Amino acid sequence: SQQGEEDPQALSIQEGENATMNCSYKTSINNLQWYRQNSGRGLVHLILIRSNEREKHSGRLRVTLDTSKKSSSLLITASRAADTASYFCATDNGRANSKLTFGKGITLSVRP
Amino acid sequence: DADVTQTPRNRITKTGKRIMLECSQTKGHDRMYWYRQDPGLGLRLIYYSFDVKDINKGEISDGYSVSRQAQAKFSLSLESAIPNQTALYFCATRGTGEGYTFGSGTRLTVV
Repeated sequence: SQQGEEDPQALSIQEGENATMNCSYKTSINNLQWYRQNSGRGLVHLILIRSNEREKHSGRLRVTLDTSKKSSSLLITASRAADTASYFCATDNGRANSKLTFGKGITLSVRP
Repeated sequence: DADVTQTPRNRITKTGKRIMLECSQTKGHDRMYWYRQDPGLGLRLIYYSFDVKDINKGEISDGYSVSRQAQAKFSLSLESAIPNQTALYFCATRGTGEGYTFGSGTRLTVV
């Protein structure tokens, strides 16, 4: 069963605009991760945010985490056509036998 | 060379056939995973292994088996393939406190 649920399911924006994607989860976590998948290819790890962190940046990416609301957001600033991909959030409970639980993903289309 | 290599990249097989998907990694990590991706369903965990002697079932292990031949190698087998096992299969590995590194995937079609 999915732990993370992304919102919206699909997003279409113009190049140069910012893209905001949201993820909600149900149980307590140790960390939350965001991944990108280009069509039919393997997932690429973008960023990991731990439960004691509230915000993290990596280049044009900004991730926030609100553990009280059990939610996270991924912001891509100044989007490019190359950002067109599916984006997944995944949660890790941090236990000894931990494994990631993925959401169903968000399809982002950036129009040139 | 890629950190995680999956073979084959594409495979078409017939119902009832046994098929093995192979995965090898050069990251030196103990943890390895097999996921299945279906359109609209995201990734679902099939099996995972935390070391050579530790194999665990994921949420959808029925109809699959795995073998951890070495720290670097983790193979997935479909004992008797059926059409609803048509999917994109991913192998992944991770180190402690890190994100996952995924292979490029195997697109399997069962006819």
